[in-house]
Amino acid sequence: DQQVKQNSPSLSVQEGRISILNCDYTNSMFDYFLWYKKYPAEGPTFLISISSIKDKNEDGRFTVFLNKSAKHLSLHIVPSQPGDSAVYFCAADFTGTASKLTFGTGTRLQVTL
Amino acid sequence: NAGVMQNPRHLVRRRGQEARLRCSPMKGHSHVYWYRQLPEEGLKFMVYLQKENIIDESGMPKERFSAEFPKEGPSILRIQQVVRGDSAAYFCASSPDGYNEQFFGPGTRLTVL
Repeated sequence: DQQVKQNSPSLSVQEGRISILNCDYTNSMFDYFLWYKKYPAEGPTFLISISSIKDKNEDGRFTVFLNKSAKHLSLHIVPSQPGDSAVYFCAADFTGTASKLTFGTGTRLQVTL
Repeated sequence: NAGVMQNPRHLVRRRGQEARLRCSPMKGHSHVYWYRQLPEEGLKFMVYLQKENIIDESGMPKERFSAEFPKEGPSILRIQQVVRGDSAAYFCASSPDGYNEQFFGPGTRLTVL
């Protein structure tokens, strides 16, 4: 039972353009969401998070949008850079308690010159 | 400020042997988590520990797998009598008290021959 889904296994975007990575979840009890970036042979690196009390959170070139009614979140990267090429995972959790993260299967982003 | 440390980075074992994976959390972090990533899949939660306590082991296989986080020293994930299906990347993460964000180590890549 995949509670967090990333339906696009890969995405290719030109340098300088916007990258939009999508994530859907099925468990309405999730109320905290995180995005991680992962390079080959390395551990995931935390990028940005959002609580369900917000619908948007920005950090530099990265913005996460949350649509609770649709159980959908997205990560926008503007402008995209070649160094952004990696696998991106979204993860879900419950606010206020350290607990296990439930990960999606990842989207491989390639930023081309 | 050193990040999460894992060793060894690569581990090769023959079927039936034991594998021991070590994880030292970031300084000041009291929560440790273990995740497993099979090829072409997302990270799957295995176990969540605090010092000397297992908080949630709902993702651990019922047999052959165990984890500990002693009062002194690193957290250990132990796999007894390894089988080929145990070949995977094992990631450790840590977090400070009260935070959802988890910070990951570089992983241990276990290969079972």
